[in-house]
Amino acid sequence: GAGVSQSPSNKVTEKGKDVELRCDPISGHTALYWYRQRLGQGLEFLIYFQGNSAPDKSGLPSDRFSAERTGESVSTLTIQRTQQEDSAVYLCASSSRLADFSGANVLTFGAGSRLTVL
Amino acid sequence: DQQVKQNSPSLSVQEGRISILNCDYTNSMFDYFLWYKKYPAEGPTFLISISSIKDKNEDGRFTVFLNKSAKHLSLHIVPSQPGDSAVYFCAARWGLYGNKLVFGAGTILRVKS
Repeated sequence: GAGVSQSPSNKVTEKGKDVELRCDPISGHTALYWYRQRLGQGLEFLIYFQGNSAPDKSGLPSDRFSAERTGESVSTLTIQRTQQEDSAVYLCASSSRLADFSGANVLTFGAGSRLTVL
Repeated sequence: DQQVKQNSPSLSVQEGRISILNCDYTNSMFDYFLWYKKYPAEGPTFLISISSIKDKNEDGRFTVFLNKSAKHLSLHIVPSQPGDSAVYFCAARWGLYGNKLVFGAGTILRVKS
């Protein structure tokens, strides 16, 4: 597609349940990022995939969070045993390697998945 | 540890006047700074960037100024338009080859007509 696609756009779940959020990056973009934005706060980095390199997981807040990406395609962010503090908008972004070499890491974001944990 | 700070949560400006959004950072290793704009229910969109070796970059109504000694950058919008009303995020990049961006908390800009 032309842009970064995320699903679901909205998810309401009960505390303790597992959720999966999906991101379909721009075709040909080698890098994929997950961020989250909690209410009233900025974008918080979670995880970064670059091609077949080992992902940078330094932003994952706990071992309940994990993400996978196969090659340069779709990524899935999984949150196990959700807690109320996990409520946030989860944003996925992708960028091309060419952007990296130009110096400005221009990320293209999806519209996000709003997660509400009751 | 907030490496990128936007200390003004909101700003209100009259249409046609200048909007100035500010951002401070602590990490002198950042090599690129970017501004993103976000409308409700949409993802952030890239607006303008500046390399750490420059002190100004201009694109139409948008100009970004960088003061490295003060570790401060600002985004100027002239003239401001009602359609500019959005949340503006300052972001910084550390490192080469697509490392993650560090974002500020954002500033809500309201342009009144």
